[in-house]
Formats: sequence, C-alpha cells, structure tokens
Amino acid sequence: GNSVTQMEGPVTLSEEAFLTINCTYTATGYPSLFWYVQYPGEGLQLLLKATKADDKGSNKGFEATYRKETTSFHLEKGSVQVSDSAVYFCALAGANSKLTFGKGITLSVRP
Amino acid sequence: DVKVTQSSRYLVKRTGEKVFLECVQDMDHENMFWYRQDPGLGLRLIYFSYDVKMKEKGDIPEGYSVSREKKERFSLILESASTNQTSMYLCASSLGRRWDYTFGSGTRLTVV
Repeated sequence: GNSVTQMEGPVTLSEEAFLTINCTYTATGYPSLFWYVQYPGEGLQLLLKATKADDKGSNKGFEATYRKETTSFHLEKGSVQVSDSAVYFCALAGANSKLTFGKGITLSVRP
Repeated sequence: DVKVTQSSRYLVKRTGEKVFLECVQDMDHENMFWYRQDPGLGLRLIYFSYDVKMKEKGDIPEGYSVSREKKERFSLILESASTNQTSMYLCASSLGRRWDYTFGSGTRLTVV
C-alpha cells in the first residue's frame, strides 16, 4: 500500500537558518504529493503540492520538488522565521481522494 | 473561505460511554474524513464519506462508527469509549477529486 516516511524530529533552528525536511514515499502509479502545516492550536492547512514528476510546489518561501527517481518530496526554505514554528506533514494522494500522511515533524525556530 | 467546524475543542468522557463527535462544513463539499492524530503516529484515517448516507472504512475503524445523514454533517461515534481512544480527532472535507483538504481545529478527547 501507499506510505510516507518523514525524517525524525523535532527540529530546532535559529531564525534565518536554512531548512530541509526530508520526505520519501512508496506508492503505485504516479501519486500527487503534498506538504501540510499545522500551527499551534489549529487544524492542518495545505502548504504546497506537486502533481507530477519534476514539478516544484512553492508557497510562503517554502519549496518542494517531486523527484520520481528518488521517490522524494523534500521541503526546503532558505531563511526560516519564528512564525514558521509548526508541525509539518508530508502526504500523498492515492485512490478515491484519500490522503496518506507521514508522521509529521515539529519545527521550532528560535529568535 | 470554507469552514470546517468541530463541535467541541476539548472533551472528557468516561470509559464505556457512547461519544459523539460532530463535524459541519459550510461549502457543499462531497467528501468528508475523520482522522485521529497521535504523537509519533501522525494522522490515521478512521472513516470517510463521499456522499450522504455513504461511508467507507479507513485504516483504523475498529471501535468507531460514523453517520452522514446530511451533506454538511459527518459524525464520528465511539460506541463504548476506551482509554486507548484518548486522542486528537480531526475532521476534514474536500471537493470532488481535489486534494486540498480543509481541516477543522480538532477535538481533544480524553477518556478516563
């Protein structure tokens, strides 16, 4: 079946540091890939997505590229801010509009 | 903006009680989902529904049931609550085959 593996957390960075959060997947066919973010006390919200190989999703300074050859969708940001502190979930879309989520990783950004 | 509203933010129930978690969305979405979120386990799908009166089991349906009598409302039912059902429950909805789910803020359920 489909699965998503995220790097172990939590991650703590200083403001303006470079961020990479790794995500790899296992799926049949050609899934769509997503990053969702959960700010403290809130539900999840879509951060970015990519629907086919070599697509790059981007939003709020975050980027992720769909790499079919390595089955990866790593999240990057060049300069993180305190307001980026949140839990980040990688997800893939399987059949029937169902999303499969990774375990999530907590990012804390220090001023 | 689409809103998904979960009826309770925090809930404390006793073992053996029947528990209802309510979720309402206001943008005519066909698809609705119930997940539970646990530390180290991420989000796990309990049940989902693509239409009124329709339901399908997700990955962890045991101990749960659902009801969708109206398009905008999707209820999660714990038939006999147990302590291992203490968790954060998240409801989500989506339109057609779109993948940008809209999530509610969650209900943190504690079973004592």
